[in-house]
Amino acid sequence: NAGVTQTPKFQVLKTGQSMTLQCAQDMNHNSMYWYRQDPGMGLRLIYYSASEGTTDKGEVPNGYNVSRLNKREFSLRLESAAPSQTSVYFCASSEIQWSDRYYGYTFGSGTRLTVV
Amino acid sequence: SQQGEEDPQALSIQEGENATMNCSYKTSINNLQWYRQNSGRGLVHLILIRSNEREKHSGRLRVTLDTSKKSSSLLITASRAADTASYFCATAPLNTGNQFYFGTGTSLTVIP
Repeated sequence: NAGVTQTPKFQVLKTGQSMTLQCAQDMNHNSMYWYRQDPGMGLRLIYYSASEGTTDKGEVPNGYNVSRLNKREFSLRLESAAPSQTSVYFCASSEIQWSDRYYGYTFGSGTRLTVV
Repeated sequence: SQQGEEDPQALSIQEGENATMNCSYKTSINNLQWYRQNSGRGLVHLILIRSNEREKHSGRLRVTLDTSKKSSSLLITASRAADTASYFCATAPLNTGNQFYFGTGTSLTVIP
């Protein structure tokens, strides 16, 4: 099925460990995004990539890095995990919003990360 | 924060009733979207309304946008138990590229 695939679905890390969250989309979208969702906070943008080869910081980029590997894949890396990074992480993709083909974001199913 | 704010935070209605939730935002926008999130799942796009539009319909959904008041409303008519979910508005502020900022959501419970 076409869409956004995130891996892993669940992860438990110890403080200080590193990991990479993977995201891939097969809709040929130009833009990709990483959000985190915390109770009572809604979704907050961590990083985004407007197009292949570009990345930009969102609202809450500290402690994260990203790589737009190609048009399909956009990964999020935690270099030294902290308990404050316990959250649900969502990847999303979209066409450029001014495009005639724009119909909003398509989200992955999320990664539930716990840092102990 | 550039997030919108949904109101109410939680809403409980009987099946068949209409549900209205509101979104207020702070800065001028290109467009506004509404998303639904079922428990434990990713968000699903419902409807997009551009800044030059005042009302849009999609099935049982009706969205209005008042740019002078910086607010939007989502109306779900003839609600069903399957509409139980959290609903989020997302705004694309002017001059901020292609990214959207999400509100904190309205949790809707439809009682069969």
